[in-house]
Amino acid sequence: EDKVVQSPLSLVVHEGDTVTLNCSYEVTNFRSLLWYKQEKKAPTFLFMLTSSGIEKKSGRLSSILDKKELFSILNITATQTGDSAVYLCAVLYSGGGADGLTFGKGTHLIIQP
Amino acid sequence: NAGVTQTPKFQVLKTGQSMTLQCAQDMNHNSMYWYRQDPGMGLRLIYYSASEGTTDKGEVPNGYNVSRLNKREFSLRLESAAPSQTSVYFCASRQDRVDEKLFFGSGTQLSVL
Repeated sequence: EDKVVQSPLSLVVHEGDTVTLNCSYEVTNFRSLLWYKQEKKAPTFLFMLTSSGIEKKSGRLSSILDKKELFSILNITATQTGDSAVYLCAVLYSGGGADGLTFGKGTHLIIQP
Repeated sequence: NAGVTQTPKFQVLKTGQSMTLQCAQDMNHNSMYWYRQDPGMGLRLIYYSASEGTTDKGEVPNGYNVSRLNKREFSLRLESAAPSQTSVYFCASRQDRVDEKLFFGSGTQLSVL
């Protein structure tokens, strides 16, 4: 079963809209949750969250973690066409056997002009 | 400022051919990973290496072998390529327990005909 579930899987909005992307997880020995943006090529790092309730912010992007309810959200305000990408959520946990880093399937975000 | 370097960027193989994907990182990271990415499937772990001389299977190891040649280099080998191995392959690295961020190479687009 999937340990990391992202929703929605795809989203189309108009430029200027605000979007909220969701990531829920189910792991034991949680260490951190990471958000990545993927355009044509390799994923690029956005945020790493380890503590509940502390918002991380970078320009129009922000993210927060809820360790009680086991989810994170990524907000993008005043969206621009350059925000079009796949947004990946990954959870790092201890005792995960060969690897303690699991990715969700991603949210494909399309911003229309 | 190289980070994670992957070669080749593109490759076309015929069924049954073999090839090796090369990956090197210059950040002195101990952990290295090989992922494949297919539409709608997210990033799936093929193999992982926690340190020089150790490798572990990930979620989808069948049909692949790896070698952690030294701390810098982690190669992925397809002994007898199959059409199901058509995918985009990413190498990644991180310094476990120090910086949880995963750094990605630029990817290899592999087609098996």
